[in-house]
Amino acid sequence: QSVLTQPPSVSAAPGQKVTISCSGSNSNIGNNYVSWYQQLPGTAPKLLIYDNNKRSSGIPDRFSGSKSGTSATLGITGLQTGDEADYYCEAWDSSLTARVFGGGTKVTVL
Amino acid sequence: EVQLVQSGAEVKKPGESLKISCKGSGYSFSNYWIGWVRQMPGKGLESMGIIYPGDSESRYSPSFQGQVTISADKSISTAYLQWSSLKASDTAIYYCARRFSSTSYSEYWGQGTLVTVSS
Repeated sequence: QSVLTQPPSVSAAPGQKVTISCSGSNSNIGNNYVSWYQQLPGTAPKLLIYDNNKRSSGIPDRFSGSKSGTSATLGITGLQTGDEADYYCEAWDSSLTARVFGGGTKVTVL
Repeated sequence: EVQLVQSGAEVKKPGESLKISCKGSGYSFSNYWIGWVRQMPGKGLESMGIIYPGDSESRYSPSFQGQVTISADKSISTAYLQWSSLKASDTAIYYCARRFSSTSYSEYWGQGTLVTVSS
């Protein structure tokens, strides 16, 4: 059971938009920055978003992050087949004194 | 260019010991925290712990405290993750990653090391 909660899967047609939610608590998302990672099949995770809404180097502006209270959201616009991957949110948890991940969300391009 | 290169896949028996490595290059290895992340087959990511190679201070996530040992040798820019007695449930891909700070996100990741524990 992951500390952060994400939907198992989301899907949309090419060119459309998807959003992935990440729900936590005051000990993690509520009082700390959120980051997002993309894991393409068979590869290592890659940093997409850090500090809630900052894009990592080389990440297109089709990817965006936001945070409100104890929840965060990753948005992907102009969906492409190459975006099919697992996406994970992550945050520092002040109670556990450790980084914690969401369970991951599989994005499928229909 | 920052790179983290991990050691190759391992196949071990339950009860055996193992040490896998992560070699950093393209930056000052001593000055950045390195973390280890577990991904069990078909599952999500779990943070295991971190180490600061400059002084070898290590910190463990609660679930992994006492289960593994994280170490580093700054003279050869390499971090390690080791087990004294493997279990079948240790079968997973293990990633090392460089953190921006001790409590912060992971900017750069190794390619992963697959550890298979089977009798």
